Amino acid sequence: GAVVSQHPSWVICKSGTSVKIECRSLDFQATTMFWYRQFPKQSLMLMATSNEGSKATYEQGVEKDKFLINHASLTLSTLTVTSAHPEDSSFYICSAKDRLGRLAKNIQYFGAGTRLSVL
Amino acid sequence: ILNVEQSPQSLHVQEGDSTNFTCSFPSSNFYALHWYRWETAKSPEALFVMTLNGDEKKKGRISATLNTKEGYSYLYIKGSQPEDSATYLCAHYGGSQGNLIFGKGTKLSVKP
Repeated sequence: GAVVSQHPSWVICKSGTSVKIECRSLDFQATTMFWYRQFPKQSLMLMATSNEGSKATYEQGVEKDKFLINHASLTLSTLTVTSAHPEDSSFYICSAKDRLGRLAKNIQYFGAGTRLSVL
Repeated sequence: ILNVEQSPQSLHVQEGDSTNFTCSFPSSNFYALHWYRWETAKSPEALFVMTLNGDEKKKGRISATLNTKEGYSYLYIKGSQPEDSATYLCAHYGGSQGNLIFGKGTKLSVKP
């Protein structure tokens, strides 16, 4: 159990286009999902916390108009990188917490990540 | 310590060797310490969640200890196998926002 599916796993796009990344919890409901970004040889950095039915909470320095997050259901959150530029090229990964708390102590369940390359 | 620090950054061992690595984290406002195992092209997988000072957890050949007063945790792998090759992440859970603060990870390579 506790599987999180993230798509796409790899995307290449032209500068100025928008890219949508999906994060789905397959066998549990997730009130809260998290979006992280990882640059080469760096740690996973939290971008935003996504709560079902409400606006996402963005970390300092993350542009909310640039990285649009939608969490319309208990099993799906999306991250849209709008007007992507080469500096947005990075590895993006989502995680989810089980709403029912059956999975103990705030464990986060991760997708496999999306590598974004903006040309 | 303000951030989560992991050492070494990478480690190469032979099959059968035992190994260990370190995670250092802020000792103030401690709530929990998480260890994840991350194989290439897969999802990070939770190994342990540790909350109590002096706690020791074990999962097969992998074990972890926790010292919240001095702010460190050790992960041990006994008799490493090639399938143990992965990046091991630790993350400090501060509790106030429900956020995990990650270290950069230790990349373990086990040669057959």
